[in-house]
Amino acid sequence: QLQLQESGSGLVKPSQTLSLTCAVSGGSISSGGYSWSWIRQPPGKGLEWIGYIYHSGSTYYNPSLKSRVTISVDRSKNQFSLKLSSVTAADTAVYYCARGLYCSGGSCAGFDYWGQGTLVTVSS
Amino acid sequence: QSVLTQPPSVSAAPGQKVTISCSGSSSNIGNNYVSWYQQLPGTAPKLLIYDNNKRPSGIPDRFSGSKSGTSATLGITGLQTGDEADYYCGTWDSSLSLFGGGTKLTVL
Repeated sequence: QLQLQESGSGLVKPSQTLSLTCAVSGGSISSGGYSWSWIRQPPGKGLEWIGYIYHSGSTYYNPSLKSRVTISVDRSKNQFSLKLSSVTAADTAVYYCARGLYCSGGSCAGFDYWGQGTLVTVSS
Repeated sequence: QSVLTQPPSVSAAPGQKVTISCSGSSSNIGNNYVSWYQQLPGTAPKLLIYDNNKRPSGIPDRFSGSKSGTSATLGITGLQTGDEADYYCGTWDSSLSLFGGGTKLTVL
């Protein structure tokens, strides 16, 4: 059974960089046909996709966040990471990592495994 | 304001059937897979439907998905109190993943 677990700082100061890691267990992050996404949810609001890294290493980012986002993978540790720079209070949210299923041509059939989520608060 | 439009809320009695709509455009729903997620309070979203109408292993056949043109629909039959949750549709548009604004299901 695949499991995803987010970790990282729960409190980030404005203008600093948010850093999170998603550890994947029960399967290889290098398996073909899957992507590895970050998705966030502000308190009381809906879901917003941040971006993903494909099994090949290609990355796709939400244009609204692209200038501030970097997603990378560490295959030796079977984990992938998110860095979001110049954060503001608007970046306060629960951040989820998730696996994209049957991905090709830049889209996937769905997100089938999700981490439990981690709340990141941006505050001084 | 989401590009994918869902009703904010729907309600029905236990045992009844409910449908949740998701409206988009030719650039997103019209040309991409649609997926549906259930989010119980305080938990991560759970995949109910992928590839428009396929159910992952373990999802009961009370849940169904369909797509027609630029709209998609999630159907839930035999409603149970445990189905009370927020439901989100998802699709893609030019390699950008999109989610609907979510629909809160109340089982009366």
